[in-house]
Amino acid sequence: KQEVTQIPAALSVPEGENLVLNCSFTDSAIYNLQWFRQDPGKGLTSLLLIQSSQREQTSGRLNASLDKSSGRSTLYIAASQPGDSATYLCAANDYKLSFGAGTTVTVRA
Amino acid sequence: GAVVSQHPSWVICKSGTSVKIECRSLDFQATTMFWYRQFPKQSLMLMATSNEGSKATYEQGVEKDKFLINHASLTLSTLTVTSAHPEDSSFYICSASLQASSSYNEQFFGPGTRLTVL
Repeated sequence: KQEVTQIPAALSVPEGENLVLNCSFTDSAIYNLQWFRQDPGKGLTSLLLIQSSQREQTSGRLNASLDKSSGRSTLYIAASQPGDSATYLCAANDYKLSFGAGTTVTVRA
Repeated sequence: GAVVSQHPSWVICKSGTSVKIECRSLDFQATTMFWYRQFPKQSLMLMATSNEGSKATYEQGVEKDKFLINHASLTLSTLTVTSAHPEDSSFYICSASLQASSSYNEQFFGPGTRLTVL
């Protein structure tokens, strides 16, 4: 059974700092890995999807890397802003999506 | 982009009543829809997978008689929580996928439904 772990559980940084969010998964036989953003009481917003054949994906200030063999993915957010405050979830897709518990980010103005 | 809606966005009901939650894909036909549950401060847990026109596949530990799922069309799936109890209070989120397998296709998520059972 796929287990997904996200570290740290919470993170507080001043505005402008770069953010590094970690995700690890136990079964490397995945089709893809996805990063989501969730605001309090809201649904999920898809940020980046990395196929198993890819090493990274970029969208604006966001960059996600994938090392399938070691079961790790990292989400980098450059030059953080208060609007980046949210919970970030990663999900490993081995036919089903298995979610981590998330990292709650607070960016202080 | 692909848009998925849910209705209602929140619902409060008395213990013992049944509640129906709708999930619609607004601008695409969804062969497969998924239902998740999220407890406070916890991650999303897949409850069931439904394909249009066939019975839903439930995850281990999810009572199929309690959580009735119907996927009658390519744009609508419903989740009915029967005889709801306070422990069923949770955030229910649906997602939709374009093809039968989610392996290569993104799941597009709805905004969620907050269920509170008194």
